[in-house]
Amino acid sequence: NAGVMQNPRHLVRRRGQEARLRCSPMKGHSHVYWYRQLPEEGLKFMVYLQKENIIDESGMPKERFSAEFPKEGPSILRIQQVVRGDSAAYFCASLGTGAVEQFFGPGTRLTVL
Amino acid sequence: QKEVEQNSGPLSVPEGAIASLNCTYSDRGSQSFFWYRQYSGKSPELIMFIYSNGDKEDGRFTAQLNKASQYVSLLIRDSQPSDSATYLCAVIGGGYQKVTFGIGTKLQVIP
Repeated sequence: NAGVMQNPRHLVRRRGQEARLRCSPMKGHSHVYWYRQLPEEGLKFMVYLQKENIIDESGMPKERFSAEFPKEGPSILRIQQVVRGDSAAYFCASLGTGAVEQFFGPGTRLTVL
Repeated sequence: QKEVEQNSGPLSVPEGAIASLNCTYSDRGSQSFFWYRQYSGKSPELIMFIYSNGDKEDGRFTAQLNKASQYVSLLIRDSQPSDSATYLCAVIGGGYQKVTFGIGTKLQVIP
């Protein structure tokens, strides 16, 4: 959905560097989900955030990955010390309070060299 | 057991035929069911959602839900080559709004 913004659209990092992915939800939406999709695989839930709160991070790897959704500004998914296995498409989706339909951003394609 | 199961396909149908996409889920407390379409290299796009048992129609698309059988399907009538994509089934379980996606079924509509 054009209303959800993600940047950058493509990100290339070398092993050991940090990757920072940003997601701005649709106007009026205060809930953000992050998903990872490997080639030829389905969407895997990573984390669910509301403004200033992590609601569910059960899909996040225990190390190197973190997410935040501050009161002001976009949601950030941070991957520290990237490895080749982190190469994937990362999508965020937003929804409004009380709604159930998620709308996806265009995704960030992360390539780790 | 996977929470949301779909046949990955590919499912090939001739142009103008009905495409039938199926999905089963394991959580009996699931309340909301979604179908997304994803073109290669693009993000998922919501097609339909359904909450109640029975059929829900929107244009050429019909979603069918059978909670007793834990089964949801998507029918695409008069299939077009532009319908060729991967169709993702998604389910919201009981409790808060965590969405679980199936692996997706790749549909190929042959002209």
